[in-house]
Amino acid sequence: DIQMTQSPSSLSAFVGDRVTFTCRSSQTIYSYVNWYQQTPGKAPKLLIYESSKLQSGVPSRFSGSGSGTHFTLTIDSLQPEDFATYFCQQGYNTPRTFGQGTKLEI
Amino acid sequence: VQLQQSGPGLVKPSETLSLTCAISGDTVSSSSAAWHWIRQSPSRGLEWLGRTYFRSKWMDNYAASARGRITIIPDTSKNQFSLQLKDVTPDDTAVYYCARDRSFGFDFWGQGTLVTVSS
Repeated sequence: DIQMTQSPSSLSAFVGDRVTFTCRSSQTIYSYVNWYQQTPGKAPKLLIYESSKLQSGVPSRFSGSGSGTHFTLTIDSLQPEDFATYFCQQGYNTPRTFGQGTKLEI
Repeated sequence: VQLQQSGPGLVKPSETLSLTCAISGDTVSSSSAAWHWIRQSPSRGLEWLGRTYFRSKWMDNYAASARGRITIIPDTSKNQFSLQLKDVTPDDTAVYYCARDRSFGFDFWGQGTLVTVSS
């Protein structure tokens, strides 16, 4: 199975900040990584697919990059609604696997 | 697209966990989609369980951790798919989600069902 490792596990920031999350895969997954946002009690929401493609309806302050084994998710100008937990997930093969998440706190 | 989950929130140890995901806005037999079950718990995080999809014939894949206990069944007459997980233990306690994948990530999710395994 491909292991997905996220860092940091938690991050504190202010409204208006720019933050970057990191995700590494245990083997190359080319650009087959997706990013999700989850708030308490809700299902994850797809933000970015195939490393850098913005899902429809997601604000442009979210962006993703990377290929191979190293990927990043960046949020420019944090908004209050962005404080949540973020997960990466590989879509290269089955079993699909997720990172453990990064909790973004105010 | 909407996915509506149904099923019991409490299952006894050694019994079978059964959940259903009703699809609206797409079809379970779509040749461009796959239909997944994923669960989430504090100890395991987000854990993919398996999927079903139709590509000239019905296909499925399951997580090794659940293989032998899990079945995902499509129902074209009701446009839904179901999860059956046999011989549950307290370790199977989790929030269970159904989700759609069109090769671009899990773009639609069910609302989640907390399933507790307890006598």
